[in-house]
Amino acid sequence: DTGVSQDPRHKITKRGQNVTFRCDPISEHNRLYWYRQTLGQGPEFLTYFQNEAQLEKSRLLSDRFSAERPKGSFSTLEIQRTEQGDSAMYLCASHRTGGARNTEAFFGQGTRLTVV
Amino acid sequence: LAKTTQPISMDSYEGQEVNITCSHNNIATNDYITWYQQFPSQGPRFIIQGYKTKVTNEVASLFIPADRKSSTLSLPRVSLSDTAVYYCLVGDTGGFKTIFGAGTRLFVKA
Repeated sequence: DTGVSQDPRHKITKRGQNVTFRCDPISEHNRLYWYRQTLGQGPEFLTYFQNEAQLEKSRLLSDRFSAERPKGSFSTLEIQRTEQGDSAMYLCASHRTGGARNTEAFFGQGTRLTVV
Repeated sequence: LAKTTQPISMDSYEGQEVNITCSHNNIATNDYITWYQQFPSQGPRFIIQGYKTKVTNEVASLFIPADRKSSTLSLPRVSLSDTAVYYCLVGDTGGFKTIFGAGTRLFVKA
């Protein structure tokens, strides 16, 4: 257990439905990242937050994707009008910045999304 | 963002030392080099991070030459449980915003 929890662990949805995932980071970590990972590939960066501010979004993040981190604590990732190509593992990671040395990111176990 | 190149796969036997090399020719002055391990259906897990020369922790060593254009992750005496995918990341915040790439699939045989 890394201390980063994601919910749900698995989600099966029909094409066209909306889904929302939640990530609870390690409490003192100010940065939170979302990634998407498909089979046989490494995680692809989607977006990240510094506290409650969303500082960067990848071009992979289409208009159907939105992420929030209210109050700089947990974060949600919503996918609207899901498509079969959205089927993937969605990973969340948290990280604490500051200090002279970079620190590691802690990943959750991910949410496996299957769009049928 | 620095791009990294790693071998797609490697095989080893239990008890051997495994060295996985990562090329990052465009590494920037502020970039750190970080290695992660990932098992199936789990998120990546931090192994080691370095900036230059050699870093060692309880699970691995990281060798970085003076030009920093490559790095080598060394796993001493691997066991079956070290079978996993290993990712090399380069970035000024540990590489978290970079694309991981496909990583190196290490398969340890008995």
